[in-house]
Parts: sequence; structure tokens; C-alpha cells
Amino acid sequence: QKEVEQDPGPLSVPEGAIVSLNCTYSNSAFQYFMWYRQYSRKGPELLMYTYSSGNKEDGRFTAQVDKSSKYISLFIRDSQPSDSATYLCAMENTGGFKTIFGAGTRLFVKA
Amino acid sequence: DSGVTQTPKHLITATGQRVTLRCSPRSGDLSVYWYQQSLDQGLQFLIQYYNGEERAKGNILERFSAQQFPDLHSELNLSSLELGDSALYFCASSVVEGAGEQFFGPGTRLTVL
Repeated sequence: QKEVEQDPGPLSVPEGAIVSLNCTYSNSAFQYFMWYRQYSRKGPELLMYTYSSGNKEDGRFTAQVDKSSKYISLFIRDSQPSDSATYLCAMENTGGFKTIFGAGTRLFVKA
Repeated sequence: DSGVTQTPKHLITATGQRVTLRCSPRSGDLSVYWYQQSLDQGLQFLIQYYNGEERAKGNILERFSAQQFPDLHSELNLSSLELGDSALYFCASSVVEGAGEQFFGPGTRLTVL
């Protein structure tokens, strides 16, 4: 079993839809949770960075962490064609230096 | 633009050869991370350096090695290359030693023929 599980998709939605992206994990020591966006053949770009449980909002993006269920989510409101990319979740444990990435979910937003 | 630079952008070489990939972190960042991204394996952590010292190792092959120099740039050396080493290699940097926000470079695409 992988430490981090993420559905690779693809996920196709119409413009303006609310997108929900999710990851599950098995290591209860993870404390830091990140979401990265990666456009084709480009380096990943950090979108959201959260510590422990709870919600964090930044513009159209909301990250949620539920440590009791070992489940994290990224919501994108009013999705745009420019949001079409691969979204990677990532996690680290306290004092750890090794970031574990999910496989990434490919998102297509149709105009 | 993340501020992290990587050279070269593309590299084509033959099996058995050795190559060196170079990374310059963002100004002020002391940590450098190396990742390999292939289609079937996703983004895999290889190794991390902080201020010149190795801090963490992931699934890095013995044929691969890295170092971080006093000016904080880093090099990843890949030797005895195999077809399966073909991948995108990313460098990332962060200010802190661990559990920090990482900023990725544009990557080096390695093709082994």
C-alpha cells in the first residue's frame, strides 16, 4: 500500500464548476500537507500549505485536512480553463525531511 | 518563475554514460531537494541537502549521487545510465531545513537511448 493515495483521473468539469480533489494517507505522523499544481512539462507550483487539521482558504482555493480520517481535500471554486493541470498532494511528518507526493490528478476544465 | 534555475533543460545520452544536472536555488534558500518524475512512478524524492550537508535520502540509486557546494548550488550526478533513468529531474529549494514550502525549478528532461 502506498503511503499517499490519489486518484489519477482524468477529471473533466465544465467552466464554473466546483472541483473537489482528494488524497488519503496511511502514515499518522504526517503533519504538513501541501497541494501543488503542475502544468504540462513544467515544475510543480505550490498552491496551499497547511499544518495539522483544519481548513485554509486562498482566493478560489480551499484546502481541508481531516487527520482523524487521514483524508485531505482541495476545492476549486468557479473553475477556469486555466486551472487545467495536474494537482499533486504532498505530505511530511514533523521533523522529517522527506516529502511524499501523491500520483497527481489530471484536471480538465472545459470552456 | 520560482527563482530556482536548472540546467540543462534537455539532455539526450546513451546507456552506460554519465551526466551531471545542475540546480541553483532561490536567493536565500539553504535547502535543495532533488526529485525524479517518470510516467509510471510519479514524483519521487531522491535526496535533500541543507547548507552543504546531506539531510535526507529517498529512493536514490547507488548509481546516483549529489552534492551541494559552498555557493549553495547543487549537482546531481547520474552514472551507468539505463533506459529506465529517462525522466524529468526536478530540483526544489526552501528556506528551512525540513517541512518547509518547496519551490521547484523547471526541470531537466533526460532521455537515455
